[in-house]
Amino acid sequence: NAGVTQTPKFQVLKTGQSMTLQCAQDMNHNSMYWYRQDPGMGLRLIYYSASEGTTDKGEVPNGYNVSRLNKREFSLRLESAAPSQTSVYFCASHRFYKNTEAFFGQGTRLTVV
Amino acid sequence: GDSVTQMEGPVTLSEEAFLTINCTYTATGYPSLFWYVQYPGEGLQLLLKATKADDKGSNKGFEATYRKETTSFHLEKGSVQVSDSAVYFCALIPNDYKLSFGAGTTVTVRA
Repeated sequence: NAGVTQTPKFQVLKTGQSMTLQCAQDMNHNSMYWYRQDPGMGLRLIYYSASEGTTDKGEVPNGYNVSRLNKREFSLRLESAAPSQTSVYFCASHRFYKNTEAFFGQGTRLTVV
Repeated sequence: GDSVTQMEGPVTLSEEAFLTINCTYTATGYPSLFWYVQYPGEGLQLLLKATKADDKGSNKGFEATYRKETTSFHLEKGSVQVSDSAVYFCALIPNDYKLSFGAGTTVTVRA
């Protein structure tokens, strides 16, 4: 049981390049999330998807787009990367009951130069 | 909106010292509350949780009690070890299911 799998683990981009971060979960969870983690800022929600076919903006959505491809997969796209998007990105999934915990991937460390 | 305020770090302790990390929340309704731990280079993993008022979550010697009257969920451990060095996050799941996290507290335990 792999849980939540993120790819890639590391990436360096030049300013203006685009890329897609992939996330897949095998726990049959309804909800999936993308967060970014920056020093002193904790985890900030970028986008989330409560269920297949739905997505919603979080706290810091500017510069990102998402796709909930199916129940398993939730991708995050940077159309034109900026140095301010240098961060560690985490994907999480959740069963959509309040008393259950979210599960996290190992993270993608992205550097934009 | 729903949010979590967590004690700022970093916190440095000696082995066998008592650890407490404060966490307070703002939420409508009755959120579930969580503590997650992040070891260096890893993702977050659940440490403990509480889903209703007065519940006490516990795991690996850590405890936290869901206090509705003070809207708090403070994390405590009576005797820390070097292996407890990590970043700790308080989190809540409110009625709209948007998981919300505190800023994280970096804990370093010295031998």
